[in-house]
Amino acid sequence: ETGVTQSPTHLIKTRGQQVTLRCSSQSGHNTVSWYQQALGQGPQFIFQYYREEENGRGNFPPRFSGLQFPNYSSELNVNALELDDSALYLCASSVQGAWGEQFFGPGTRLTVL
Amino acid sequence: AQSVTQLGSHVSVSEGALVLLRCNYSSSVPPYLFWYVQYPNQGLQLLLKYTTGATLVKGINGFEAEFKKSETSFHLTKPSAHMSDAAEYFCAVTLNSGYSTLTFGKGTMLLVSP
Repeated sequence: ETGVTQSPTHLIKTRGQQVTLRCSSQSGHNTVSWYQQALGQGPQFIFQYYREEENGRGNFPPRFSGLQFPNYSSELNVNALELDDSALYLCASSVQGAWGEQFFGPGTRLTVL
Repeated sequence: AQSVTQLGSHVSVSEGALVLLRCNYSSSVPPYLFWYVQYPNQGLQLLLKYTTGATLVKGINGFEAEFKKSETSFHLTKPSAHMSDAAEYFCAVTLNSGYSTLTFGKGTMLLVSP
């Protein structure tokens, strides 16, 4: 059974650029959630996708957007990057309704200069 | 809305000593509660979870936690710390609903000295 994978591992961008992060769900999971973890903080919920539609969103601006594909993989897109977007971005997959348990990938470390 | 408070950003113990990491939650409905561990430069690994039933739950690596509704707490314990337990620990809560998102505490860094 393959776990949650994310790419790339690390990424360096400059302010104003756009970035796309990718996530492959664990086999059998139909829901993907994205979290932002700033240095020294707990993960903050960005949004969740289920059946290729956004199923919920945290307190993040519209320049954070996402997609879920028929194979349940997902992308996180961030436009107009700001310095404060520097963080570890975590993807988690789960089965909708299954007691809330989520399985996390290793994350993508984004640095915005 | 739900929230999680973890008391103590850093906890230091000696190898072999009791580990106690504190977590209090706020939720308007019965919650599901989780403890995750994060090693440096890695993602989150689930240690244990409480959903329903027995309030004392056992997890991996000898950790356990007890759900106390009256105290709105879900503290994490381990009888004897090992050097390999040094990591950051996050308590998280989600609601009993089809749309489940985790709300995390700020984390507690566990330091284990020889």
